[in-house]
Amino acid sequence: DGGITQSPKYLFRKEGQNVTLSCEQNLNHDAMYWYRQDPGQGLRLIYYSQIVNDFQKGDIAEGYSVSREKKESFPLTVTSAQKNPTAFYLCASSIEGSTGGYGYTFGSGTRLTVV
Amino acid sequence: AQSVTQPDIHITVSEGASLELRCNYSYGATPYLFWYVQSPGQGLQLLLKYFSGDTLVQGIKGFEAEFKRSQSSFNLRKPSVHWSDAAEYFCAVLIPSGGSYIPTFGRGTSLIVHP
Repeated sequence: DGGITQSPKYLFRKEGQNVTLSCEQNLNHDAMYWYRQDPGQGLRLIYYSQIVNDFQKGDIAEGYSVSREKKESFPLTVTSAQKNPTAFYLCASSIEGSTGGYGYTFGSGTRLTVV
Repeated sequence: AQSVTQPDIHITVSEGASLELRCNYSYGATPYLFWYVQSPGQGLQLLLKYFSGDTLVQGIKGFEAEFKRSQSSFNLRKPSVHWSDAAEYFCAVLIPSGGSYIPTFGRGTSLIVHP
């Protein structure tokens, strides 16, 4: 079955460390997104990518980095510069293009905790 | 900038009762509109979407939503709530910008269902 796989489901990070969250999709979707979810704040866009080797910052990109070397993969690195990284991270993908708006498929998320 | 407002943080209903979750958006034209549902610790699942045409949209799990241009609203409804509907619900808008479509999510409404 096609879908988005996020791994790991739970991740613990020591302060000062970088960690990378994996997001893989086999939907042949062009666009991929990373969101951060905090209680009571909904989803906030971190980065998005509409084509391979290209990506744009979202609303809260500081302290994060991404790459899009393959269409299927959009890993997110939470760097030590992110001061409050404990959150639930969601990856999504969509059929992007001028017609847009087909809705988004979400992964099941990664819960990151700083210890 | 576009925004999405879900004015109710929590909604409590009894099982079997009707439900209406509110969503308002700010945008000059008609955006693409979505409702998603999220179970605890999971990703988001698309319930329904509105692009154009009939303003009453049917979705999965017995949900429907009505687009009202005059009120800039897209409220989600269900005639009879089941205990399994307890979850977090997100309204999202998708507005075209230079050939791209980037979604903006509301902060979510938590639905509590009493037996």
